Amino acid sequence: DTGVSQDPRHKITKRGQNVTFRCDPISEHNRLYWYRQTLGQGPEFLTYFQNEAQLEKSRLLSDRFSAERPKGSFSTLEIQRTEQGDSAMYLCASSLDSGPSTDTQYFGPGTRLTVL
Amino acid sequence: AQTVTQSQPEMSVQEAETVTLSCTYDTSENNYYLFWYKQPPSRQMILVIRQEAYKQQNATENRFSVNFQKAAKSFSLKISDSQLGDTAMYFCAFMLAEGAQKLVFGQGTRLTINP
Repeated sequence: DTGVSQDPRHKITKRGQNVTFRCDPISEHNRLYWYRQTLGQGPEFLTYFQNEAQLEKSRLLSDRFSAERPKGSFSTLEIQRTEQGDSAMYLCASSLDSGPSTDTQYFGPGTRLTVL
Repeated sequence: AQTVTQSQPEMSVQEAETVTLSCTYDTSENNYYLFWYKQPPSRQMILVIRQEAYKQQNATENRFSVNFQKAAKSFSLKISDSQLGDTAMYFCAFMLAEGAQKLVFGQGTRLTINP
């Protein structure tokens, strides 16, 4: 059973450019989460999917951010018109809503974004 | 809104010693989960241990155990016989059992195990 994977692992972009990150959850996990982590801080929740439905978005997720999970499998997080304040580690996690490990979130390695 | 507080930004102990990391949280809900995650330098977040609020028995996982005090809203992590590989940031996290089930993290404790 492979873990959560994220691509790319690192992204450097110039201010104003658009970027897209991908997350592949653990197979059969029906819940998928995006978090943002800045240096020295704990992760902060961005958004959550149950299958293909996006059920909650944080107020941190401005209108420049959009996330999708077509067909309830992988997910993408897009940031438009990037700003220097978007520089952070973007973490993806997945979980299952049944079974002995229900609701435990397993994290991917993250995508580190640097906006110049 | 739920909050999680870790009052120890950094801790350092010698290999083989026992160390306890503190965590307190605030919620008005009764049904929730608590977690400790470990994040080694430049590596991904790993689950250490999980506790369901309805369970009175403290969770244990090999050298890791928790002291869950529901009334005091306290959830400390004890690491016994510490090893060099335990060096990492440790995050305490809270999650409601119903609803979006997003994790709310504390600020983290940087733990260093010295040889």
